[in-house]
Amino acid sequence: SQQGEEDPQALSIQEGENATMNCSYKTSINNLQWYRQNSGRGLVHLILIRSNEREKHSGRLRVTLDTSKKSSSLLITASRAADTASYFCATDENSGYALNFGKGTSLLVTP
Amino acid sequence: DAGVIQSPRHEVTEMGQEVTLRCKPISGHDYLFWYRQTMMRGLELLIYFNNNVPIDDSGMPEDRFSAKMPNASFSTLKIQPSEPRDSAVYFCASKGESSINIQYFGAGTRLSVL
Repeated sequence: SQQGEEDPQALSIQEGENATMNCSYKTSINNLQWYRQNSGRGLVHLILIRSNEREKHSGRLRVTLDTSKKSSSLLITASRAADTASYFCATDENSGYALNFGKGTSLLVTP
Repeated sequence: DAGVIQSPRHEVTEMGQEVTLRCKPISGHDYLFWYRQTMMRGLELLIYFNNNVPIDDSGMPEDRFSAKMPNASFSTLKIQPSEPRDSAVYFCASKGESSINIQYFGAGTRLSVL
């Protein structure tokens, strides 16, 4: 079943701008992750935030997690054309390692 | 490491035919996952294995789907008989023993059932 829901479904920005994507989920989670998928390729893990963390940084990525609102956001700063891809949030619950993915945000960064 | 390897990359078949998708996980990874991606339903977990044993197959759509992992370096997902609604991209992923649930995905198999 779909756990995460990303918003917006599609986002178009210019190089150098920041991109913000949001994710909402429904049940208690262990961790929340963000993955990137380039067209025609598999998913690549970007960043993981644990349920007891509120914010995490990795390079140009910043992730926040609000467990009270069951939501997360992914900020990509100073975007580049190479950031063009679909971005998915994925959650796992306390029982097992199944990941529940949202339908993704399609990001287009134009030069 | 070569990463997760899936074959074939593309498969076109006719309704009613048997389809077998293959996956080689990253060496040393103990968990293997099969996902299906469609426009309508997004990414769905079909089944996952730990140490070659199926742990959760609640996502397998119906009896036409079966998955096996005969050893630590090979898994198959079989659809018999295939139907047009099975058309999708099928991904295999693996993870190591760590409790951190970061999964490494293959490039996927794009299946078209005519």
